[in-house]
Amino acid sequence: GNSVTQMEGPVTLSEEAFLTINCTYTATGYPSLFWYVQYPGEGLQLLLKATKADDKGSNKGFEATYRKETTSFHLEKGSVQVSDSAVYFCALSAHNAGNMLTFGGGTRLMVKP
Amino acid sequence: EAGVTQFPSHSVIEKGQTVTLRCDPISGHDNLYWYRRVMGKEIKFLLHFVKESKQDESGMPNNRFLAERTGGTYSTLKVQPAELEDSGVYFCASSQDRRRGEQFFGPGTRLTVL
Repeated sequence: GNSVTQMEGPVTLSEEAFLTINCTYTATGYPSLFWYVQYPGEGLQLLLKATKADDKGSNKGFEATYRKETTSFHLEKGSVQVSDSAVYFCALSAHNAGNMLTFGGGTRLMVKP
Repeated sequence: EAGVTQFPSHSVIEKGQTVTLRCDPISGHDNLYWYRRVMGKEIKFLLHFVKESKQDESGMPNNRFLAERTGGTYSTLKVQPAELEDSGVYFCASSQDRRRGEQFFGPGTRLTVL
């Protein structure tokens, strides 16, 4: 079946540090890949997505590249801010599974001033 | 435009009681999904409606869970009777175009079963 594995947290960084959250997946066919973010007290928001191999999704300074050869979709940001503190979820959507989302376990990011 | 809304935001009940969660999707979204996150683990799919029809309910844990979407608008998820392991956060999401896979999530309902 489909699955997503992402690095466990929490990840604690100082402001302006470089961020990488690793995500790898297992899926049949060609899934779409997503990063969702949950800020404290809020619901999940789509951060970025990529629908085919070598696509790069980007938003708010975050980037992730769909790597089919390594089945990965690592999230990166060059300079994090305190406001980026949240829980980040990697997810996939497979067309052969009704487009339901399969999520990783979530990674909590804490950014200190 | 209003986003996906869920009610209540929190619910605390005792084992054996019944709870009904409600989700109002974004207007015009035919696809409605229920997910839940138990004890900080992965967010797991429960079921998927297309309008009022259940498209996929493979994630429903057992027959204590009943979901409905009468008229293809809002949806309810009833847990009867609730067990301790049902505690968690229940998310609802909706999408307009199933093929794109982009889903819009509500804030979730935190259910605590004592």
